[in-house]
Amino acid sequence: GQQVMQIPQYQHVQEGEDFTTYCNSSTTLSNIQWYKQRPGGHPVFLIQLVKSGEVKKQKRLTFQFGEAKKNSSLHITATQTTEVGTYFCAGRRGGATNKLIFGTGTLLAVQP
Amino acid sequence: EPEVTQTPSHQVTQMGQEVILRCVPISNHLYFYWYRQILGQKVEFLVSFYNNEISEKSEIFDDQFSVERPDGSNFTLKIRSTKLEDSAMYFCASSAQGGGTGELFFGEGSRLTVL
Repeated sequence: GQQVMQIPQYQHVQEGEDFTTYCNSSTTLSNIQWYKQRPGGHPVFLIQLVKSGEVKKQKRLTFQFGEAKKNSSLHITATQTTEVGTYFCAGRRGGATNKLIFGTGTLLAVQP
Repeated sequence: EPEVTQTPSHQVTQMGQEVILRCVPISNHLYFYWYRQILGQKVEFLVSFYNNEISEKSEIFDDQFSVERPDGSNFTLKIRSTKLEDSAMYFCASSAQGGGTGELFFGEGSRLTVL
């Protein structure tokens, strides 16, 4: 079945350092979404990417969708302590499917 | 801001008992989902529901699981005979768009503990 892996599983950074999480799918995706889950919370939508090679920015967050539409990345510049949590990518295969398959997640810890 | 609400927030049950988890999706959404998350692990798809029927389900969603939209507002997940491995956080989600293209709005989850 479709698998979506993320690396690293865990990243600990000092406040102000950069952070990147990488997402890789075993199958080509029609679109990819990113979610953030605070500790003890629920996933909250961040962004969706649809086009091959697409790059989107939200303030200090940069999201990228690979040319082959099988991988994606999220980069945070100058992390803040409020950005702690687990970041999940979630992809949908093409065709008649509604389901988003979540990646394994990257837990970000930010030390002040 | 509209939100998805889930009840109960925590349920403890004995193995073999039936459990019903309830969700009220956002009112103008048409697509509904259940996901589950075992502690510290990834968010796993269980089932999607549209137009009063299941549109997709995962291998996890076996005959012990069922979903229902009984009254046009609630969306329920029933586990007929719970097992220890059903212990997890169950998230309901809804979206305005289908095809996996719409943003999923998640509820705060129902934590199920099976003893």
